[in-house]
Amino acid sequence: EVQLVQSGAEVKEPGESLKISCKGSGYSFSNYWIGWVRQMPGKGLEWMGIIYPGDSDTRYSPSFQGLVTISADKSISSAYLQWSSLKASDTAMYYCARRRSSSRSSEWFDAWGQGTLVTVSS
Amino acid sequence: QSVLTQPPSVSGAPGQRVTISCTGSSSNIGAGFDVNWYQQLPGTAPKILIYDNNSRPSGVPDRFSGSKSGTSASLAITGLQTEDEADYYCQSYDSSLSGSVFGGGTKLTVL
Repeated sequence: EVQLVQSGAEVKEPGESLKISCKGSGYSFSNYWIGWVRQMPGKGLEWMGIIYPGDSDTRYSPSFQGLVTISADKSISSAYLQWSSLKASDTAMYYCARRRSSSRSSEWFDAWGQGTLVTVSS
Repeated sequence: QSVLTQPPSVSGAPGQRVTISCTGSSSNIGAGFDVNWYQQLPGTAPKILIYDNNSRPSGVPDRFSGSKSGTSASLAITGLQTEDEADYYCQSYDSSLSGSVFGGGTKLTVL
């Protein structure tokens, strides 16, 4: 069974750094892109970026470029999302998801982590 | 403002049929990129409902169907059930943003 298990909820103060994780199992982790999706309280889904664990090729949404860093360690089947200096506006649920594709015009996310709630407050 | 536009809410009585629209542009749906739909039940992670415009993953009832035409797509749900009450999101790829984009989401209420 394909599973993505994310690290637990975090409560941080503004200006602190943070790295959350997403561990895959039940499939060849290196061979599938992993995306990150933000959901702010009461709001919709926002695509942040994506990484290919096999070679760490990474793409970012223009809205998140420079604000977060996405990384992966294929040796332990894990992907990461990190911030160097959190803001209150980073308060949200963050999901990782496995990307699938059937053609050059196709991209969807077939397996999702349970989400990591990040709360940034002084 | 989401790149893909969905109605904020739709509603229907049990047993009825509802549709949710998703309108894009020439850089995403209109460019030929496929549309996918997700269901998010309260307090849970999104779940893939329809991929590649009209394909259902195993386990998704055939009450759910998708279609695409031009710069728009639709999700249809027939035989509405109370457990269908959830938020629904469309998603596609956008060539000008070089990444995936989501619709703003539609809250389905089963009256």
